[in-house]
Amino acid sequence: AQTVTQSQPEMSVQEAETVTLSCTYDTSESDYYLFWYKQPPSRQMILVIRQEAYKQQNATENRFSVNFQKAAKSFSLKISDSQLGDAAMYFCAYGTAGGTSYGKLTFGQGTILTVHP
Amino acid sequence: ETGVTQSPTHLIKTRGQQVTLRCSSQSGHNTVSWYQQALGQGPQFIFQYYREEENGRGNFPPRFSGLQFPNYSSELNVNALELDDSALYLCASSGGTGVWETQYFGPGTRLLVL
Repeated sequence: AQTVTQSQPEMSVQEAETVTLSCTYDTSESDYYLFWYKQPPSRQMILVIRQEAYKQQNATENRFSVNFQKAAKSFSLKISDSQLGDAAMYFCAYGTAGGTSYGKLTFGQGTILTVHP
Repeated sequence: ETGVTQSPTHLIKTRGQQVTLRCSSQSGHNTVSWYQQALGQGPQFIFQYYREEENGRGNFPPRFSGLQFPNYSSELNVNALELDDSALYLCASSGGTGVWETQYFGPGTRLLVL
C-alpha cells in the first residue's frame, strides 16, 4: 500500500518570503500522480499543483512550484512571495495511474502554514 | 469556490443511528468520490461512484454505502454509527474516474457521534 508522509506539522513564513513544505511517499509503482492540495479554514479543499511521475520537469503554477525527486520519493512544494491568503493546511496526495485507475487519493497528515504580515 | 455543495454542514447523531449525507457535483461530472477526514488528519478514501455504480472502495466496512443519481447528486449513508465515525466527510466530483482527473471538493459535512 502507498503511504504519504508530511514531516512538518506546522510551518510559518513572513509575507513575501519563500517557504518549502516537505512530502515523502512510499510506493512500488512506476506510474502515478502527486498532488498538493490546500485546505483553508473554510474547509474547501483546492488543488494547488499536480505532477505526473513520468515527467522529469518539475511542475509550476504561478508562485507555486514543486521539487520532484522520483528516486528519493520526495515531492516538496515551494511557495514564493507568500501572501496572507496562502495560510491554510496543505496536503500532499498520491494517486495511482494504472490498474483500475479509479480516483483514490492517498493523503498525508497535512502541514499547517501560517503567514505572518 | 469549486461548484460542489454538501448538506448539511453540521450534524449530531447518537451511536447506533443511521445518517445520510448529500453532495451535489459540478454539472457534467459523472464521478464522485467520498472521503472521511478525522480531526487533524488527512482525508481517507471511502469509495468512488461512476455513472451510478460503485467503482472503487477504500478500507471502510459495508455499513458505509453510497448512491449516485443522474442529476449529479449523490449520498453517503452510514449505518450503525460508531463514535469513531465522528469526522468531516468530503465529497469530490470529477469529470472521469482516473486519478489524473482534477477532483473538486465540497466544503464537507461535520458529523459528531455521541
